[in-house]
Amino acid sequence: AQKITQTQPGMFVQEKEAVTLDCTYDTSDPSYGLFWYKQPSSGEMIFLIYQGSYDQQNATEGRYSLNFQKARKSANLVISASQLGDSAMYFCAMREQMDSSYKLIFGSGTRLLVRP
Amino acid sequence: NAGVTQTPKFRILKIGQSMTLQCAQDMNHNYMYWYRQDPGMGLKLIYYSVGAGITDKGEVPNGYNVSRSTTEDFPLRLELAAPSQTSVYFCASSYPLGGNYGYTFGSGTRLTVV
Repeated sequence: AQKITQTQPGMFVQEKEAVTLDCTYDTSDPSYGLFWYKQPSSGEMIFLIYQGSYDQQNATEGRYSLNFQKARKSANLVISASQLGDSAMYFCAMREQMDSSYKLIFGSGTRLLVRP
Repeated sequence: NAGVTQTPKFRILKIGQSMTLQCAQDMNHNYMYWYRQDPGMGLKLIYYSVGAGITDKGEVPNGYNVSRSTTEDFPLRLELAAPSQTSVYFCASSYPLGGNYGYTFGSGTRLTVV
């Protein structure tokens, strides 16, 4: 079963508008963390934002915010005021504890294209 | 501060050849990981290590081996390369505790098996 699901293979957004990238997850671990990474065409993995399962408030980092709905097991990324440089692949990932170790598991990604 | 360094950046292998992908980190991170990323896909965990001398399988370990003799180094060995192993390989490291303790990724190794 998929642990991390990103249902949008590709998205378009107009420059300066906001966009939401969806992510749902599945875990029975009460302590987990959710991450979003950006992968531009150059290939590197860039950390964007983190949400812990016990965090009471939604995480924000500049133009990025994470809409965390724990009961629904969703952790959507919201990018406000999109810029051309936001065009990239975006990956949702979950860190869960298994035995005495931690694993970071990724979704399949969403390709975002920002239109001028 | 170099972070996570992967070598080589590119490599072409012939079917049946072997090679070792190198990964080194200078942040004294306990945890290290190897992922592969197939075209248009997310990252899949191959192997990970929670410290020197300790390694464990991830989602897609077949065809690979790892070792962790030091905290800094976590090489990935491909024996008898197959076309299905054509992929981009990422090494990453992190602290073991919860919270956002910086999963740091290397820049990747693009491997083609022909």
